[in-house]
Amino acid sequence: EVQLVESGGGLVQPGGSLRLSCAASGFTFSSYEMNWVRQAPGKGLEWVSYISSSGSTIYYADSVKGRFTISRDNAKNSLYLQMNSLRAEDTAVYYCARDMGGDGSADYWGQGTLVTVSS
Amino acid sequence: SYELTQPPSVSVSPGQTARITCSGDALPKQYAYWYQQKPGQAPVLVIYKDSERPSGIPERFSGSSSGTTVTLTISGVQAEDEADYYCQSAYRFGGGTKLTVL
Repeated sequence: EVQLVESGGGLVQPGGSLRLSCAASGFTFSSYEMNWVRQAPGKGLEWVSYISSSGSTIYYADSVKGRFTISRDNAKNSLYLQMNSLRAEDTAVYYCARDMGGDGSADYWGQGTLVTVSS
Repeated sequence: SYELTQPPSVSVSPGQTARITCSGDALPKQYAYWYQQKPGQAPVLVIYKDSERPSGIPERFSGSSSGTTVTLTISGVQAEDEADYYCQSAYRFGGGTKLTVL
């Protein structure tokens, strides 16, 4: 059974940093591209970042470019999102999602971790 | 960049057919995907590559594509289908459509 479990969310002040993790199991993690998707409270889904199976290709949404860094450790079956210079508008539930088409699509999603940016 | 446009809401009675559209200039060249999201839950993929249905998704869910518009069709809508539905293509999500079952 495919499982994606996010962790690392919490309350952080504006300008602060946070690192999210996603533990994957039930599939060969190193063979799959991965995405981070977020959802602000009461709002729609927003794609955040993509990483190829090897980590050699990475894309970001314009809204996070230069502030967020996606990475992965295939030996640990883990996906990460380093978030710096956080803003109030980054407040959202962050989902880890397995890519199915190399285009930001997702066939499996984690349950999400809430990031709140507030003073 | 480009946008994907969905109607904010669609309402249908149980047993009727619901159609949710998604429009975007890149859709003729890129696959579209549809997700169902119920309150407090993670999204669930219901249609991939315009019209393919993942295993475990009921047959009443179908997808189609025509030019710059893709459509999610739910035939014989049931109360449990009430949810938010999102289209997605090429690293972009539509704004979402709230399906209300009257």
